[in-house]
Amino acid sequence: EIVMTQSPATLSVSPGKRATLSCRASQSVSSNLAWYQQKPGQAPRLLIFGVYTRATGIPARFSGSGSGTEFTLTISSLQSEDFAVYYCQQYNNWPYTFGQGTKLEIK
Amino acid sequence: EVRLVESGGGLVKPGGSLRLSCAASGFTFGDYSMNWVRQAPGRGLEWVSSISSSSTYINYADSVKGRFTISRDNAKNSLYLHMSSLRAEDTAFYYCARDPHTYATSSALWGQGTLVTVSS
Repeated sequence: EIVMTQSPATLSVSPGKRATLSCRASQSVSSNLAWYQQKPGQAPRLLIFGVYTRATGIPARFSGSGSGTEFTLTISSLQSEDFAVYYCQQYNNWPYTFGQGTKLEIK
Repeated sequence: EVRLVESGGGLVKPGGSLRLSCAASGFTFGDYSMNWVRQAPGRGLEWVSSISSSSTYINYADSVKGRFTISRDNAKNSLYLHMSSLRAEDTAFYYCARDPHTYATSSALWGQGTLVTVSS
């Protein structure tokens, strides 16, 4: 099983600032890496797939990067609606696995 | 409207069984591999099972293997998860979702989830 490790567990950032979230895989996942945003009481929302491709309707302030085992989600200028929990997921091998999540909170 | 709607959740005793359903609409369901993903209250996401478009390929998380069975009926545009020998740790919201490998050609699609509570 590929273990996905996200850091940090909690990130406190002020609105308008940049947020950088990390995700590390225990082995290569090629480019089969997605990022999701989840708000309380809601289903996850896809932000990024294939490491860097934004999903339909996702603002350009969200960007993904990385390769192999190290990945990053960057939110360039935080808006109030961006404070949520973020998960990475690898879908290169079964079982598909998620990171434990990074909670992005308002500083 | 393109949507997935889960149903069948509820309260069940340890050792009991439950069948979840996921009704698809607004797209050609039979063209898509599908997944079940769960989330215990206040916890992270856990992939549970996947089934290919024609049911040829099926995979399970180790935590549910031998107890859960995924299936689909493309004629009814429906996905199912039959859960047996349920344990307290199976308590979670269960989401159906299109497989991530479809993201490159189609929008991601998740249902709103159905809550399964395993308790005596």
